[in-house]
Amino acid sequence: QMHLQQWGAGLVKSSETLSLTCGVYGGSFSVYYWSWIRQSPGKGLEWIGEIDHRGRGNYNPSLKSRVSISVDTSKSQLSLKLSSVTPADTAVYYCARSGSATDIFHYHYGMDVWGQGSAVTVSS
Amino acid sequence: QSVLTQPPSASATPGQGITVSCSGGSSNIGSNPVNWYQQLPGTAPKLLIYATNQRPSGVPARFSGSKSGSSASLAISGLQSEDEAHYYCATWDDSVNGRVFGGGTKLTVL
Repeated sequence: QMHLQQWGAGLVKSSETLSLTCGVYGGSFSVYYWSWIRQSPGKGLEWIGEIDHRGRGNYNPSLKSRVSISVDTSKSQLSLKLSSVTPADTAVYYCARSGSATDIFHYHYGMDVWGQGSAVTVSS
Repeated sequence: QSVLTQPPSASATPGQGITVSCSGGSSNIGSNPVNWYQQLPGTAPKLLIYATNQRPSGVPARFSGSKSGSSASLAISGLQSEDEAHYYCATWDDSVNGRVFGGGTKLTVL
C-alpha cells in the first residue's frame, strides 16, 4: 500500500523560502503525477501545482512565479519550494498522488493518496 | 474567492439524505469531470468521488456524485454521525490549465 511521508521546516521567516519534501513509499513513483496542496488556517484547499517523473508540471497561476516543484526519481521524492513567503503563506501543506502520468486526462481521477500534512508558519 | 462555489454549511439528522452542490463554469465543471473530497477534523482530505460519479474502493455506496452542465452534486443517503466533515468539490479548469477547488461545505449531522 503506497503511502506518502512529508518533512520540512515548520517555521519560516518572511521573505525567505519555504521548503518541503515528500517521500513516496510502497509503490511506483514514475507512473503518476504528484501534487502539492495547501490549506490556510480555517480555510479551504488550494492546489499549488503538480509534476510527473519527467518534470512535466502544471501550476496554480496565482503562485506560479514563486513556486518550484521538482522530483528526485532515484529517491522517489518530490519537493516544493515557495519563495518570498509572507504570513499569508502560513498553512498546512499536503502532497498527494494525482493520477496516471500516462493518461492525458490524469486529472479526471482525483488525488487519491495523501501525505500527513506539514504545518508551516511564516513569521513576520 | 474559490473558482467553484459551494454552500458554506449544511445540516441534517441521522438517517436522512442530503445533497451538497458545487457550481462552476464552462471551462471547469462544464468541460471536465468532478472529484469530491471528505475532510474530517485534523486529517488529510480523502478522495470520495472521482470522475464525477465513481467511488474509490472502500467508499460506501451511500455516497454518490452527479453533474449537469456547469454544476455538480454530492449526495449522501442514510446520514451517519461519522459523516460530519468538510466536503470539497474539485475539477480541472481548462482556462488556467490547473486544478481548482470549491470553498468547501461543512456538514453537520444534528
